[in-house]
Amino acid sequence: EPEVTQTPSHQVTQMGQEVILRCVPISNHLYFYWYRQILGQKVEFLVSFYNNEISEKSEIFDDQFSVERPDGSNFTLKIRSTKLEDSAMYFCANSRSGNTIYFGEGSWLTVV
Amino acid sequence: AQSVTQPDIHITVSEGASLELRCNYSYGATPYLFWYVQSPGQGLQLLLKYFSGDTLVQGIKGFEAEFKRSQSSFNLRKPSVHWSDAAEYFCAVARQGGSEKLVFGKGTKLTVNP
Repeated sequence: EPEVTQTPSHQVTQMGQEVILRCVPISNHLYFYWYRQILGQKVEFLVSFYNNEISEKSEIFDDQFSVERPDGSNFTLKIRSTKLEDSAMYFCANSRSGNTIYFGEGSWLTVV
Repeated sequence: AQSVTQPDIHITVSEGASLELRCNYSYGATPYLFWYVQSPGQGLQLLLKYFSGDTLVQGIKGFEAEFKRSQSSFNLRKPSVHWSDAAEYFCAVARQGGSEKLVFGKGTKLTVNP
């Protein structure tokens, strides 16, 4: 199975700090996503990204969040001014055609 | 709006027993259907998917799932469970056509007794 690589695997941050989560997508995959999973809850869609722009975002994805592909390869999720409720596992996901989505191992974010 | 229901929060089976995990969806048309598995502390691994055609689909690790349009269901099955199958299983749907977000169910946690 293709591999999506995420860093860091775990990050602890102080409330109010900015966090950047990184993802190395699968080669030739054109669709990029971020999902999150709060402990004990279901996986929730945050944002999809295609052709260097956001194609869809959820209600969760407010001005606190942003995504980009700064160097045309890595795909990042930036969370500004983190809150306690941002503590979750964040999954990067890719798809070549938009049909089948492959997930990374996730980045645990703990806000203290 | 799309929704996915996994009615069983937790299932316990003995090793070697058969398994069926239930998934029902609510959507105006037949969506794309997926099952993912998440081992503790791990990411989501795709087990299998249904787009169209044969309603019985085979996946990895000996899993299969059957799409039943009349019941809006996509139940996951395995004839003989192994201890390594202990994990959480998520059913997900997406609108046909691709590039659509996945909507997940709440998951079913599987415990396997020796």
